[in-house]
Amino acid sequence: GAVVSQHPSWVICKSGTSVKIECRSLDFQATTMFWYRQFPKQSLMLMATSNEGSKATYEQGVEKDKFLINHASLTLSTLTVTSAHPEDSSFYICSARRGTGPNTEAFFGQGTRLTVV
Amino acid sequence: GQSLEQPSEVTAVEGAIVQINCTYQTSGFYGLSWYQQHDGGAPTFLSYNALDGLEETGRFSSFLSRSDSYGYLLLQELQMKDSASYFCAVRDPSNDYKLSFGAGTTVTVRA
Repeated sequence: GAVVSQHPSWVICKSGTSVKIECRSLDFQATTMFWYRQFPKQSLMLMATSNEGSKATYEQGVEKDKFLINHASLTLSTLTVTSAHPEDSSFYICSARRGTGPNTEAFFGQGTRLTVV
Repeated sequence: GQSLEQPSEVTAVEGAIVQINCTYQTSGFYGLSWYQQHDGGAPTFLSYNALDGLEETGRFSSFLSRSDSYGYLLLQELQMKDSASYFCAVRDPSNDYKLSFGAGTTVTVRA
């Protein structure tokens, strides 16, 4: 299967600071990358979809100015949590999709555990 | 929109069989997927059903009935390492085939 690498795997930051999370597709070109947030014992909630070279599409209720997404190349997307607060503490997971259409599988990164203190 | 329902928890002993049901209500449908997620880890793909019937992959099998908007994941010969959360997910053709996940079923395997 395809490999998606997410970095860092965990991060602790002070309230008010910004944190950048990277998502890389290591052995394929990802036309689309997805960012999810998962609170403990809950499901994965899609935050945004990013396509290389274009602006990200955010799901309803997700603040685009707070969660900045950049998809500068076909192998790298970044999520920056700006001015982080304790309520932003969560597990953030990216996934990358190769191609488009119904039969394209999405592969997940390892996830990033963010703790804001 | 998408709505998927699955049980929140299941407990079973080693060697047993567990069936996790998933019912869905979707504005569009293109296949039912199942993912496994261990605590603190990322989801890993288990299976995908686009057509009705049973798909078998080793100890795990997945079933789909599109007319009933229903599917299930069958875990056989349970092992301790199968303790994890299991999510069903559907692809929405009206939304670029993005995945929508159910709330997840926590499976606990006891000795």
